[in-house]
Amino acid sequence: SQQGEEDPQALSIQEGENATMNCSYKTSINNLQWYRQNSGRGLVHLILIRSNEREKHSGRLRVTLDTSKKSSSLLITASRAADTASYFCATANTGNQFYFGTGTSLTVIP
Amino acid sequence: EAGVAQSPRYKIIEKRQSVAFWCNPISGHATLYWYQQILGQGPKLLIQFQNNGVVDDSQLPKDRFSAERLKGVDSTLKIQPAKLEDSAVYLCASSSVRGRNQPQHFGDGTRLSIL
Repeated sequence: SQQGEEDPQALSIQEGENATMNCSYKTSINNLQWYRQNSGRGLVHLILIRSNEREKHSGRLRVTLDTSKKSSSLLITASRAADTASYFCATANTGNQFYFGTGTSLTVIP
Repeated sequence: EAGVAQSPRYKIIEKRQSVAFWCNPISGHATLYWYQQILGQGPKLLIQFQNNGVVDDSQLPKDRFSAERLKGVDSTLKIQPAKLEDSAVYLCASSSVRGRNQPQHFGDGTRLSIL
């Protein structure tokens, strides 16, 4: 598959804990994006990191990118019940093709 | 600003019937995407439009799926005839500039069930 693969497939944590999810991909990329999807809703863009960047922050989100390992991680700090959702990475490769990964289902227990 | 609008929200049809979905992107967004999301999977790009021209339809099953974007604004996606494996959520997204290097704004999708 040309899609990215998220790991773990499912994650359950207590409110206030940090959540880390990982994404691995196969080809060279221009950028990598993370999206959130609440049940029954469309995807919401969270953050974009370009191939020449190694780390990016946005509020409680921290994204890292390691192009040598073809992997990225998304860290959500001080999680809240409202963070419960599926999280997807999406890669835009140098051939200008765009692929979503398989997703991580995050459950934050109040 | 108003988000991406899609209709209907739900559709149930029998196999071999036809179905159409409608999408109205965010005003001024030139790029429009249609995705298929099967339960438990990530979205798969079906077709990308830049204004009213097709940029990429390499993963669109052209024997049964068609899409158009007349006047470079609204878009419709049609399936004719539907198969059981077409059961999925069909998502529309738009972005303000060309290319997949920009954040995409998604509608809430149309959930299609094939009986």
